[in-house]
Amino acid sequence: KAGVTQTPRYLIKTRGQQVTLSCSPISGHRSVSWYQQTPGQGLQFLFEYFSETQRNKGNFPGRFSGRQFSNSRSEMNVSTLELGDSALYLCASSLGLGEVTEAFFGQGTRLTVV
Amino acid sequence: AQSVAQPEDQVNVAEGNPLTVKCTYSVSGNPYLFWYVQYPNRGLQFLLKYITGDNLVKGSYGFEAEFNKSQTSFHLKKPSALVSDSALYFCAVRALTGGFKTIFGAGTRLFVKA
Repeated sequence: KAGVTQTPRYLIKTRGQQVTLSCSPISGHRSVSWYQQTPGQGLQFLFEYFSETQRNKGNFPGRFSGRQFSNSRSEMNVSTLELGDSALYLCASSLGLGEVTEAFFGQGTRLTVV
Repeated sequence: AQSVAQPEDQVNVAEGNPLTVKCTYSVSGNPYLFWYVQYPNRGLQFLLKYITGDNLVKGSYGFEAEFNKSQTSFHLKKPSALVSDSALYFCAVRALTGGFKTIFGAGTRLFVKA
């Protein structure tokens, strides 16, 4: 069974640009969550999607957005990039059928903003 | 609002000794608690979870965790540490009142010395 796939693995962008990150969940999983990981802040919750609907949102500015497609694949977009957006972005998928299921994480996309 | 605290940035232990990584949480309602481990340049891997029932939960790689409702804690333990256990450990909580979003602690880096 294939795991969670995130593309690209590494990305270098210039301040002011925008970026789109992709996440393909485990087959059959309907919930996808996104996290930002930085050395000082740990994992910060961005948002969670279930069946193409945003179910939860973290405390990030509107520059951060996402969506989920009918096949459960998800994309995350960051517009007007800032230096502080440099981080590892992790995607996690779960069955999403209840509150008790653990999440399966991809290896992440490391974004560097210069 | 739900939150998770991992009071130690780093834990050092000698191989063969018992280890404990601490976690406390704050949540309204019943918590669902998780531990994940992250190895270098990898995504997070699920270790164990507490949903209900026995307060002592056993997980992967010989790890276990004890749920203490009165102290709102969920400490991770292992009777005998291995050098290969050296990694970054995250505690997480998920609750109905948080809309089922999973909130992670800042992480604790475990160093096991041979």
